[in-house]
Amino acid sequence: DVKVTQSSRYLVKRTGEKVFLECVQDMDHENMFWYRQDPGLGLRLIYFSYDVKMKEKGDIPEGYSVSREKKERFSLILESASTNQTSMYLCASRRTGTGFPYGYTFGSGTRLTVV
Amino acid sequence: DQQVKQNSPSLSVQEGRISILNCDYTNSMFDYFLWYKKYPAEGPTFLISISSIKDKNEDGRFTVFLNKSAKHLSLHIVPSQPGDSAVYFCAASAQGGKLIFGQGTELSVKP
Repeated sequence: DVKVTQSSRYLVKRTGEKVFLECVQDMDHENMFWYRQDPGLGLRLIYFSYDVKMKEKGDIPEGYSVSREKKERFSLILESASTNQTSMYLCASRRTGTGFPYGYTFGSGTRLTVV
Repeated sequence: DQQVKQNSPSLSVQEGRISILNCDYTNSMFDYFLWYKKYPAEGPTFLISISSIKDKNEDGRFTVFLNKSAKHLSLHIVPSQPGDSAVYFCAASAQGGKLIFGQGTELSVKP
């Protein structure tokens, strides 16, 4: 069964800390995405990557960066955590090319609380 | 600019009745639409999709309808079950591009 694995289900970090959220997929997918989910705001795209070493800003990239050194791993970095970054973070991946569905496979999410 | 909108943040339905979740979009280039279901503390899971060349797709209790002239799609769940209680997101894509999600609708199915 295909999987997107996020390293932590729950995290509590202090304001100002550098935070790493890790995501690994075992499906050889080219595209990977980071979203945050907040009540009433839906899923907002932070960053995405079309392939290894590539990255693109999403709708709300401020305060975040990403790293994709290997195809299977996409890391989200909070440079200096702030309380307004308390949220549910969701990683997703997708295979590209004709014949493949356009939908994403999501991980289980990381609930991050910044205190 | 919100290209995909779910204007109802919540919906409450009695068990056994029909649930209708709505979604509107503005971008006429969207050619593929999906619905995802999300339980608390879990990631969204794919539910059903429809291509713009169709106006209806059915999978068991779930049917998605697409009205391209109105730029509107809806998800029907018949009959609704308590286990259907979750947040439902609609999403759209243009020519295989990244998905654009709506804000979500929280469905509560009461026994």
